[in-house]
Amino acid sequence: QKEVEQNSGPLSVPEGAIASLNCTYSDRGSQSFFWYRQYSGKSPELIMFIYSNGDKEDGRFTAQLNKASQYVSLLIRDSQPSDSATYLCAVCSNDYKLSFGAGTTVTVRA
Amino acid sequence: DGGITQSPKYLFRKEGQNVTLSCEQNLNHDAMYWYRQDPGQGLRLIYYSQIVNDFQKGDIAEGYSVSREKKESFPLTVTSAQKNPTAFYLCASSTGQGAVEKLFFGSGTQLSVL
Repeated sequence: QKEVEQNSGPLSVPEGAIASLNCTYSDRGSQSFFWYRQYSGKSPELIMFIYSNGDKEDGRFTAQLNKASQYVSLLIRDSQPSDSATYLCAVCSNDYKLSFGAGTTVTVRA
Repeated sequence: DGGITQSPKYLFRKEGQNVTLSCEQNLNHDAMYWYRQDPGQGLRLIYYSQIVNDFQKGDIAEGYSVSREKKESFPLTVTSAQKNPTAFYLCASSTGQGAVEKLFFGSGTQLSVL
C-alpha cells in the first residue's frame, strides 16, 4: 500500500496567523495531489489540487509541491475559526487510485 | 441539484447480520468508490468501479461486497465476515480514469455494531 504521511496534530494557531500543514508520500510515480477539508462528522471536501512543482494559490490557501523531495504542503493564511477542521492529504498514483493520509486537525483560536 | 446521496445516515448491525449501504449519484460520473474511515485514520479504499458491471477490490475488501448494475448506483454490503465493521463509510464518485481524480463525496453512513 502506498504511504502518505502527514504531520501529527493537533495544530493550534491564533486567529489571523498562518497554519502550515505537511505531507510526504512514498510513491515517486505519483501524478497529482489533493488537499481535502473535513469538518467533524462530515464528508471531505476538496479545497486544493496541484500537479506541478511549485506553488499554487487560491484565496487564502497555498499548496506547495516538491516532487524531488516527495513533499506537498498546504498553507492557510489569515486563519479563521471556520478553518478549524481536519485536513487530509491525498495522492493519486499511476493506477489512478487515491491514497489518503491520516489527516491533521487544525484548531484556530479566536 | 447534482450530487451523491448516501443512506441511511446511521446504521446498526447485529451479530451475524449482513447490512447494505446505499449510494446513488446523479452527476453522470463513470467511477464510484467506497471508503472506510476509522477515528484518527485516513480513508481506506474498499472497492471501486470504473464502469457499469465491473468493479475491483481496494485495499481492504475482505468482508465486503458490491454491485454496479446501474451507472447511478453502487451499493455496499457489509457481510458477517467483517468482524470489525464499526466505522464511517463514505461513497464517492469521479468523472473517471485520468491524470486527475477529483472525488465528490456523499455525506457518509456511520455503521455501528449492537
